[in-house]
Amino acid sequence: NAGVMQNPRHLVRRRGQEARLRCSPMKGHSHVYWYRQLPEEGLKFMVYLQKENIIDESGMPKERFSAEFPKEGPSILRIQQVVRGDSAAYFCASSLNSGTGGAKNIQYFGAGTRLSVL
Amino acid sequence: AQSVSQHNHHVILSEAASLELGCNYSYGGTVNLFWYVQYPGQHLQLLLKYFSGDPLVKGIKGFEAEFIKSKFSFNLRKPSVQWSDTAEYFCAVTSYSSASKIIFGSGTRLSIRP
Repeated sequence: NAGVMQNPRHLVRRRGQEARLRCSPMKGHSHVYWYRQLPEEGLKFMVYLQKENIIDESGMPKERFSAEFPKEGPSILRIQQVVRGDSAAYFCASSLNSGTGGAKNIQYFGAGTRLSVL
Repeated sequence: AQSVSQHNHHVILSEAASLELGCNYSYGGTVNLFWYVQYPGQHLQLLLKYFSGDPLVKGIKGFEAEFIKSKFSFNLRKPSVQWSDTAEYFCAVTSYSSASKIIFGSGTRLSIRP
């Protein structure tokens, strides 16, 4: 059962380092989403990507955060110069379609990457 | 802006008790509604979903939810809970115009006493 795969599951970084989180979508899915869950909060949308395109990045912080979904390989969420406030669980999801035009968008989630910034 | 409210932060029940978790959303247009569950250490799993049609939706593991449009609610129910239902439950919504962006509630932690 090849679901959404995220790695690493746990990532520890010191302040100022870079964090790279990877996400491989379910087989056949070309739509990828990233969400962040801060302690005691629900998941918050960050970014939506299709292959080689960023479709909606309205939830991404303006600085230090970037995401890509290249033609080959997993989607990457990159956080530069991490700060303590970046400590959170980062979840990736994928879907078969976008949900536009009334199509049903059902997102399937990975197990998440827990980022701890020391 | 859309938002989702889950009324209970933490619910504690005994096995065989009935469950109802409240969820209200704020959005005036057409919505799609979801309940996700996160078992300890695992990924979010889709419990059930509503896109259209019958407002009473059946999901996996004996869960159901009822969409009441006039109340902007989508409460989750289960007649008899089991210890294995211990998990965090998230209500979520997408709008017809922004179907790719899920808005989540803050979650309800359910603890079942054996």
